[in-house]
Amino acid sequence: DAGVIQSPRHEVTEMGQEVTLRCKPISGHDYLFWYRQTMMRGLELLIYFNNNVPIDDSGMPEDRFSAKMPNASFSTLKIQPSEPRDSAVYFCASTISSSSTDTQYFGPGTRLTVL
Amino acid sequence: QKEVEQNSGPLSVPEGAIASLNCTYSDRGSQSFFWYRQYSGKSPELIMFIYSNGDKEDGRFTAQLNKASQYVSLLIRDSQPSDSATYLCAVNAKGGADGLTFGKGTHLIIQP
Repeated sequence: DAGVIQSPRHEVTEMGQEVTLRCKPISGHDYLFWYRQTMMRGLELLIYFNNNVPIDDSGMPEDRFSAKMPNASFSTLKIQPSEPRDSAVYFCASTISSSSTDTQYFGPGTRLTVL
Repeated sequence: QKEVEQNSGPLSVPEGAIASLNCTYSDRGSQSFFWYRQYSGKSPELIMFIYSNGDKEDGRFTAQLNKASQYVSLLIRDSQPSDSATYLCAVNAKGGADGLTFGKGTHLIIQP
């Protein structure tokens, strides 16, 4: 059974460029989460969706960040324009609301470097 | 603002000993609590979850929760070198599927 899939695994871009990160949740999961991890701030929730609808985007740092979930099997996190301080590992996670444990399963992450 | 605090370590423990990892949280109404293990360069993976006060055991791992003290701990018995990793404490404030608030993690080193 495939886990959460993220692409690309590594992204190096220059300041000012648009970056799009992609995520495919585990089939059947109805919640999808985007997190960002840095040494300074640790792992932070950016936004999450339930049944493709954004529920809480209070963690999105600024308007340069946007996320969409056009269907149950795909989500994107876009940064436009990117800045060096956006460099981090971005994780996508999913879970299913009918689970008794609310366990979130994490994808492998995308390591973003903005030069 | 919800906060989860952990000692960053490193915490060094001899092989075969008990490793004790601690976590405090600020939101008194928090409902569920998780311990994730993260190896360097990898994604977090769930080790334990606990919802009720007291102890919960799973193999070599025991999670302890004290809601009155807003304190969660993880004990690892018979520590192995493969347990060397960063351990992240995470809290779900509302219960049910919701975004998690993570501590910054404790770096654990098991010395052979």
